[in-house]
Amino acid sequence: SAVISQKPSRDICQRGTSLTIQCQVDSQVTMMFWYRQQPGQSLTLIATANQGSEATYESGFVIDKFPISRPNLTFSTLTVSNMSPEDSSIYLCSVEWDRGRIGANVLTFGAGSRLTVL
Amino acid sequence: AQKITQTQPGMFVQEKEAVTLDCTYDTSDQSYGLFWYKQPSSGEMIFLIYQGSYDEQNATEGRYSLNFQKARKSANLVISASQLGDSAMYFCAMREGISGGYNKLIFGAGTRLAVHP
Repeated sequence: SAVISQKPSRDICQRGTSLTIQCQVDSQVTMMFWYRQQPGQSLTLIATANQGSEATYESGFVIDKFPISRPNLTFSTLTVSNMSPEDSSIYLCSVEWDRGRIGANVLTFGAGSRLTVL
Repeated sequence: AQKITQTQPGMFVQEKEAVTLDCTYDTSDQSYGLFWYKQPSSGEMIFLIYQGSYDEQNATEGRYSLNFQKARKSANLVISASQLGDSAMYFCAMREGISGGYNKLIFGAGTRLAVHP
């Protein structure tokens, strides 16, 4: 499976600022996925990022708040804009690992970026 | 309605014993996949095991096995011979409609497992 590097691994941010999280994959992938995990909660998909097209956002997430870039097949960024304490979460980048069987593709995750907004 | 339900917020088990983590799901699709992930306190998500809806045998991966009961829509994770390093959050997840292109993974709320020496 792919190796995913995320940075920063953690950060403490001030209310009203923006932070960009970077995700680097060691192989070319078609789709990259950004998830949010709020404290004590499960994972929620923010958006799917395809190279060369606009990201597809899930219900409840908008581009103005979470702009995503996907400049090539190995890299993506997620920006959390105008942060508030409610944005304190772990943000995870993930890609699919093709196991050669329809439907059995596994999501491989980066180590996550733990953001705390004061 | 919840797509994935994990009714046990927390479980504990004695080291070397087996433990079952419950997961029920809700779907009207005939083709779907079920996954279990482990999340240690460090935060990374580690894939453990996969079960396809058409698989006749229960999936096994080392000490992990999936007790798949399709009629009951349950996909319980069984960890045999628990180790201290198994202490973590465990998430059940489902992907629906797997025969027709990509569909997202939906995660349950998770179960926190504590292994006691």
